[in-house]
Amino acid sequence: DTGVSQDPRHKITKRGQNVTFRCDPISEHNRLYWYRQTLGQGPEFLTYFQNEAQLEKSRLLSDRFSAERPKGSFSTLEIQRTEQGDSAMYLCASSLLANSEAFFGQGTRLTVV
Amino acid sequence: AQSVTQLDSQVPVFEEAPVELRCNYSSSVSVYLFWYVQYPNQGLQLLLKYLSGSTLVESINGFEAEFNKSQTSFHLRKPSVHISDTAEYFCAVSVQGEGWGKLQFGAGTQVVVTP
Repeated sequence: DTGVSQDPRHKITKRGQNVTFRCDPISEHNRLYWYRQTLGQGPEFLTYFQNEAQLEKSRLLSDRFSAERPKGSFSTLEIQRTEQGDSAMYLCASSLLANSEAFFGQGTRLTVV
Repeated sequence: AQSVTQLDSQVPVFEEAPVELRCNYSSSVSVYLFWYVQYPNQGLQLLLKYLSGSTLVESINGFEAEFNKSQTSFHLRKPSVHISDTAEYFCAVSVQGEGWGKLQFGAGTQVVVTP
């Protein structure tokens, strides 16, 4: 298994454009998490899935953000009408069970210009 | 709500010297405690965790952390660091019952090991 993979690794977009990131979790991992990390800060929880069900969304996840996990496999995070404040590293993690180690991907760095 | 405070943003240390990274947390409910490490250009990796039992937990590469309930602390230590320990270290908590992956992180401590 190659671990959690995220695509793209880097994305530069103009303000107002929509962007979509993809996360492929470790095979058979039921839980999938999204985090956002800005410079000088630790990761902040955004949302998580148990299989295909989105169980919780942080208040950080504004209406411009949407996440999906069709069929309980890969997940996508879409940001509509990007703003400069959306510039951050977006991290994905997965775990086999609720109480098992979460493995993180290398992240997608978004820069909004 | 929970919060995690890492008291040092950067810790310079010489090779083979000891290092301590401080972490304090606050929570109104029971939590699990974690230390994650992020090497340059890599994802976060779990270093060690405290769930219950012995308050001293150890990692395979010589780090240890001690849970102190009265001081609500979970400091990370290593008696002798290597150049390869240069990385950013994050303290994190999860609420018991919500899963180990839903984490509240501190701001991180950058450890720079020099010869």
